[in-house]
Amino acid sequence: GENVEQHPSTLSVQEGDSAVIKCTYSDSASNYFPWYKQELGKRPQLIIDIRSNVGEKKDQRIAVTLNKTAKHFSLHITETQPEDSAVYFCAATSTPNDYKLSFGAGTTVTVRA
Amino acid sequence: DTEVTQTPKHLVMGMTNKKSLKCEQHMGHRAMYWYKQKAKKPPELMFVYSYEKLSINESVPSRFSPECPNSSLLNLHLHALQPEDSALYLCASSQEGLTYNEQFFGPGTRLTVL
Repeated sequence: GENVEQHPSTLSVQEGDSAVIKCTYSDSASNYFPWYKQELGKRPQLIIDIRSNVGEKKDQRIAVTLNKTAKHFSLHITETQPEDSAVYFCAATSTPNDYKLSFGAGTTVTVRA
Repeated sequence: DTEVTQTPKHLVMGMTNKKSLKCEQHMGHRAMYWYKQKAKKPPELMFVYSYEKLSINESVPSRFSPECPNSSLLNLHLHALQPEDSALYLCASSQEGLTYNEQFFGPGTRLTVL
């Protein structure tokens, strides 16, 4: 099955700086890579996703890059704000309509004011 | 309505109790999921229903029994649970028939087994 590794496990950044979280996956057939943000006591929420036919996607301060050859993808948050503090999970799924998301272990991001 | 709702928010039960968790969505999604999440860990898939039929059971112990009465409702019946079953139970839903389906999560039920 798919194995997703996520680094770092914790990340502390100064407000206004950038944050980068990296994930690697094992299944070369994986073709959908969502990122979920989970604030303390809240539900996971999709913040951005990327398909395998796209190398980069951006949504305001958030961007995701995908390198299929190296089997890794990354989340970039620019101009971090205190409300960006949360646990971030990357995930991968290997086929269209595949119900099984393989999650990374999560990164706890703390933005220092 | 673009939300998945879950009841109750919190549940405390003894090991001999029988209780049920409820999940509801009105987005027309035909795939519904149960996940278990321990603190600081990613969600672990338990069950998937597609068009009200059980599609995936991730080798979950029989003390957890899912039910999908209709396309909007998903239940999880609990019986004879163990303290290690204490966790946040998340329901999710997604569209069918499309590729790369976003899963929408409910707020979860925080379960404590005494």
